Amino acid sequence: EAGVVQSPRYKIIEKKQPVAFWCNPISGHNTLYWYLQNLGQGPELLIRYENEEAVDDSQLPKDRFSAERLKGVDSTLKIQPAELGDSAVYLCASSQGTSGRSDTQYFGPGTRLTVL
Amino acid sequence: ILNVEQSPQSLHVQEGDSTNFTCSFPSSNFYALHWYRWETAKSPEALFVMTLNGDEKKKGRISATLNTKEGYSYLYIKGSQPEDSATYLCAFLQGGSEKLVFGKGTKLTVNP
Repeated sequence: EAGVVQSPRYKIIEKKQPVAFWCNPISGHNTLYWYLQNLGQGPELLIRYENEEAVDDSQLPKDRFSAERLKGVDSTLKIQPAELGDSAVYLCASSQGTSGRSDTQYFGPGTRLTVL
Repeated sequence: ILNVEQSPQSLHVQEGDSTNFTCSFPSSNFYALHWYRWETAKSPEALFVMTLNGDEKKKGRISATLNTKEGYSYLYIKGSQPEDSATYLCAFLQGGSEKLVFGKGTKLTVNP
C-alpha cells in the first residue's frame, strides 16, 4: 500500500514569493491534516479536512496561507507571500476516519521550505 | 495551552544497550496518547496509539506503557540497534478535542 505522498521534498524561495505544497493521502483515508514543524519543535496542526470540508483551520494564518482539498482526495497548501519565518517542514498526514479521535495518523515525508 | 513534555531531549547509547524515555502530559481529561518514530529524511512512523490507563503495547524490541492518572508514558527500547536512531515523538489527545498536541521529541542516537 502506498503511503502519503508529498511534493516537493525541498523548496528554496526568496521572501515575498509564493509557494505551494501538494499532498496525496493514502487511498480511502477521509481525514487529511497539514502540520507545520519548526526546528526543535513538535509538529503543530495547521488545518484538518474531513473529506473536502475544512473542519479545523483555527491555526492557519489566513492572511497568507490557504489550503484546498478538491474532491476530498489530494490537497494543496499555499503560502503567498512567503516570509522568512515560514522556513520549516510542512507535513501532511491522513487517517481513515473510522475509529474516531484515536485513529492512527499516517504521515508523508514532509516538504522542507527555506525562505531566503 | 496544553503542555506535552518529553525527556530527555537527546540521548546517545551504545549498540545493545536498553533505553527508555518519557512523555508527560496533562492528567485530566485524557483521551489518547500516540507515539511516533521519525528517522531523518523519512516519514514519521506510527508506533502506538494508547487509550487505557495501564496499557502496555509492544512492537518488536519497542514497548510503551501508559499512566493516565499521573500523566506519563514511557517508551522502552530493548537492545538498541543503530537503525533505532531517530526522533521519538509523543502526541496527546485531550477529551473533547480533535487535535493532537505533540511534544518536541527525544532524539536517540545508537552508536555501533
